[in-house]
Amino acid sequence: DVKVTQSSRYLVKRTGEKVFLECVQDMDHENMFWYRQDPGLGLRLIYFSYDVKMKEKGDIPEGYSVSREKKERFSLILESASTNQTSMYLCASSSPGGNQPQHFGDGTRLSIL
Amino acid sequence: DAKTTQPTSMDCAEGRAANLPCNHSTISGNEYVYWYRQIHSQGPQYIIHGLKNNETNEMASLIITEDRKSSTLILPHATLRDTAVYYCIVRVDYNTDKLIFGTGTRLQVFP
Repeated sequence: DVKVTQSSRYLVKRTGEKVFLECVQDMDHENMFWYRQDPGLGLRLIYFSYDVKMKEKGDIPEGYSVSREKKERFSLILESASTNQTSMYLCASSSPGGNQPQHFGDGTRLSIL
Repeated sequence: DAKTTQPTSMDCAEGRAANLPCNHSTISGNEYVYWYRQIHSQGPQYIIHGLKNNETNEMASLIITEDRKSSTLILPHATLRDTAVYYCIVRVDYNTDKLIFGTGTRLQVFP
């Protein structure tokens, strides 16, 4: 079975802090994604990566950055956390090819106070 | 801008088949239909996907109409643990591979 592991299920941080969200997958997938999920807004793509050291902006990259130093790990960084970044963050991975399904982790519910 | 339409909610008795419909009348010829579900406070779980042929795996069956404008996800013997929001998704952006989740169907399985 595909396993996508996010480092924390729940996280509370303060405004202005630098926040790191970690994601690891064990299926040797090339593609990795970061989404955030908010009530009424569905899932929105923040960043994605098709290979090590490669990253592409999604729909809402402002205030975020990512790092992909190893194939299995994709990190999301909130440079200076703000209250409007309180959300559920979801990491996903997939094999290359347009029809391959994405597999999600259990999510990190992040609260910025 | 989801390309799919699903009923807001459905009920199903435990042990019975749950049939979840989805309309995707504007689907393109090379777009796949994906089904995911999300149990409260967890990440979306992949269930099944297909292009035009019916598909079956250990979790569910996917029936796609011949014109591909609609599909049905079938859970053959629903259990209480199948209570979740079910999303039917047509991938719309091959530049980013992003999935666009609509509002989904909230399936309630009752004893």
